[in-house]
Amino acid sequence: EVQLLESGGGLAQPGGSLRLSCAVSGFSISSYAMGWVRQAPGKGLQWVSAVVTSGGVTYYAAAVEGRFTISRDNSKNTLYLQMNSLRADDTAVYYCVKSPCIGNCYSTFDYWGQGTLVTVSS
Amino acid sequence: DIVMTQSPLSLPVTPGEPASISCRSSQSLLHSNGNNYLDWYLQKSGQSPQLLIHLGSNRAPGVPDRFSGSGSGTDFTLKISRVEAEDVGVYYCMQARQTPVTFGQGTRLEIK
Repeated sequence: EVQLLESGGGLAQPGGSLRLSCAVSGFSISSYAMGWVRQAPGKGLQWVSAVVTSGGVTYYAAAVEGRFTISRDNSKNTLYLQMNSLRADDTAVYYCVKSPCIGNCYSTFDYWGQGTLVTVSS
Repeated sequence: DIVMTQSPLSLPVTPGEPASISCRSSQSLLHSNGNNYLDWYLQKSGQSPQLLIHLGSNRAPGVPDRFSGSGSGTDFTLKISRVEAEDVGVYYCMQARQTPVTFGQGTRLEIK
């Protein structure tokens, strides 16, 4: 059974940092594209970042480029999102997502985690 | 960025009746490989989104056949042949033709 379990959310001050983790079971993250999608309270879905299997190429939304870093530890089968220079508008539930894509692609999110809430406030 | 526009934003439906949601993209989602990179997701209250339709018209495993997706290029439609109470939630279309991946605003389906 495929499971994606996020952790690491919580309260952070503006300008602070958090690292989100997504522990995966049921498949090897090295075999598929993975990513993060967020949802601000009461709002819609916003794509944040993706990492593909081909060369580990990474992609970011303009709103987080230069502040967030996506990475994966294949030995731990875990995906990460390092979030620096946090802002109030980063407040959201962050979902870890899996794509069935293999290679330099990232389309479709066939599995989603339950999400972890990040709150940025002083 | 590709802008995704859904309509309607609110959809009250009587159980057993059909429902239809439109999604339009500001650029074509048709790739040279013949695939339309357009997905549909449903987010039920308090839950994570779940994949319904991928590549425009392919139902995800376990999705009831009352759900169907159609369209190509810039115009897409999600249809529910007979709405059931469990179909309540917010429906999102999403394009993955190019980064950044973008979502529609969401359509809230409610039961009359």
